Amino acid sequence: TQLLEQSPQFLSIQEGENLTVYCNSSSVFSSLQWYRQEPGEGPVLLVTVVTGGEVKKLKRLTFQFGDARKDSSLHITAAQPGDTGLYLCAGGAGNQFYFGTGTSLTVIP
Amino acid sequence: ETGVTQTPRHLVMGMTNKKSLKCEQHLGHNAMYWYKQSAKKPLELMFVYNFKEQTENNSVPSRFSPECPNSSHLFLHLHTLQPEDSALYLCASSQAPEGGGYTFGSGTRLTVV
Repeated sequence: TQLLEQSPQFLSIQEGENLTVYCNSSSVFSSLQWYRQEPGEGPVLLVTVVTGGEVKKLKRLTFQFGDARKDSSLHITAAQPGDTGLYLCAGGAGNQFYFGTGTSLTVIP
Repeated sequence: ETGVTQTPRHLVMGMTNKKSLKCEQHLGHNAMYWYKQSAKKPLELMFVYNFKEQTENNSVPSRFSPECPNSSHLFLHLHTLQPEDSALYLCASSQAPEGGGYTFGSGTRLTVV
């Protein structure tokens, strides 16, 4: 089993603030995905990164894959209440994706 | 309908009951998955089906029995469950082997009493 640890586990911030969440592992992954899950729903794919050092931007969200393909970060600029949810990273190895422990984000209006 | 649809959304069952969870995908994907999501634990992969063939059984107890009659439908048959089996059960699909991303359903919230 490939273990991905996410930090922080919980984060509560005011609207307009910036934040970064992290996804770390001792294993190398062929790709890494980020999902957001809202209460009562399944996770929704936000992005896939495949190259070490790769940076992708999705509006106010910036995703980076570590050079060694063992870790990743998600930075949100000017957070909004609609960003509230559980953020999950998932590392691809073989035919499987292994999910992280999750970061629960609450953005307070 | 589009995406991945799971029914029922909520299920309460006794430990001696038999019930089934249903998942249907309208995306033309060839791989389908069952995941278990419990509080404070990472998503746990239970079963994987590629082209209707089971390719992964992640040491799941036999009281969970999957069925995949075709590449669009996936079932999870439940019998004699335990209270610790209470969780959110998520179905997902993807296009294998390219992988890409998973498309998840909304899940079935299962409570075993």
